[in-house]
Amino acid sequence: LAKTTQPISMDSYEGQEVNITCSHNNIATNDYITWYQQFPSQGPRFIIQGYKTKVTNEVASLFIPADRKSSTLSLPRVSLSDTAVYYCLVGALRDNYGQNFVFGPGTRLSVLP
Amino acid sequence: DTEVTQTPKHLVMGMTNKKSLKCEQHMGHRAMYWYKQKAKKPPELMFVYSYEKLSINESVPSRFSPECPNSSLLNLHLHALQPEDSALYLCASSQPDRFNQPQHFGDGTRLSIL
Repeated sequence: LAKTTQPISMDSYEGQEVNITCSHNNIATNDYITWYQQFPSQGPRFIIQGYKTKVTNEVASLFIPADRKSSTLSLPRVSLSDTAVYYCLVGALRDNYGQNFVFGPGTRLSVLP
Repeated sequence: DTEVTQTPKHLVMGMTNKKSLKCEQHMGHRAMYWYKQKAKKPPELMFVYSYEKLSINESVPSRFSPECPNSSLLNLHLHALQPEDSALYLCASSQPDRFNQPQHFGDGTRLSIL
């Protein structure tokens, strides 16, 4: 079971690029890395997922080095509405094998004007 | 708007009450999850149903009883809860693919135990 660590909080200004790193030293071979965004009083929302190298979608990029022991979520040109908690999740559902995916502790991103 | 609907949004109950939380999805997902989330903490997995069968129970106390009547519905029956059970309860769904199916979350039921 991959244990993950993330910075507790980060501050940024509007228009800047924000990079949030998640460490997962004992990631398993079959584990994917998924990032979620959560606003107060809402459920987490999927942002991006990857296995290795780089993945990009319309809202973010995900960088995963060759050893896969960490991953970095990159948010380009953040706005005030990006203020939220960001969680990395490592692992996947494997029936009857117990808990094999775990949320990181979350990074509280505050975007300032 | 979320594709996973949870009801009620808020629930206040006494320690002797019996209540149920409900979750519904129409995305054709065959894996459904219950999580508990305390303030400023990540979601903690409680139960997983895969193809309507309970596949994971994370040593949750028996005062929480899950039920999956069909592939679209998930219930969590509550009885004799304790004040420390007050939390946001989240439901999620995904395809039960082994490796890379993201979970879709509802907005949760905020539960308060008096």
